[in-house]
Amino acid sequence: NAGVTQTPKFRVLKTGQSMTLLCAQDMNHEYMYWYRQDPGMGLRLIHYSVGEGTTAKGEVPDGYNVSRLKKQNFLLGLESAAPSQTSVYFCASSYPNRDYGYTFGSGTRLTVV
Amino acid sequence: AQSVTQPDIHITVSEGASLELRCNYSYGATPYLFWYVQSPGQGLQLLLKYFSGDTLVQGIKGFEAEFKRSQSSFNLRKPSVHWSDAAEYFCAVLSGGSYIPTFGRGTSLIVHP
Repeated sequence: NAGVTQTPKFRVLKTGQSMTLLCAQDMNHEYMYWYRQDPGMGLRLIHYSVGEGTTAKGEVPDGYNVSRLKKQNFLLGLESAAPSQTSVYFCASSYPNRDYGYTFGSGTRLTVV
Repeated sequence: AQSVTQPDIHITVSEGASLELRCNYSYGATPYLFWYVQSPGQGLQLLLKYFSGDTLVQGIKGFEAEFKRSQSSFNLRKPSVHWSDAAEYFCAVLSGGSYIPTFGRGTSLIVHP
């Protein structure tokens, strides 16, 4: 089925470890986004990309890096994980058209101990 | 700057009762407005959207929302709630030339049998 696929779905990291979250979409969307969701905080934008090879900072970019080497993939990296990065991470994608909404992945639940 | 407020953190209704979830936005001109639903353990799914035309919009799963410019509101309604409607609901606003929506903090809907 067409959509946004996130891997892994769950992960437990120790403080200081690194990891990469992968987001893949097969809808030929130009724009891709990474959000984190924390209780009572709603969705907060970490980084986003408006096309292959481009990235930009969102509301809460510190401690994260991203890359968009291919149009269909958007990677989120944590170089040195901290307990404050325990969260549920969502990837989304969209057309460069304001008439459409986002398509979201099912999320990655990350726990940093 | 655009902003969106969902005044209710939790809403509890009985199955079969009507539902209204509130959303207020802050923006001078007519924004693009969206409602998303997030079922437990899932990503967000677009319910409906408004950007022009008829101020009463119909969405999926029997939901509708009404744009009221005078009240800066975009409330979500459903005439008869089903137990499967229990979820988190997010309002989002997109304004100006931005492609990045601002999400509300969400309203958790609890449905009693």
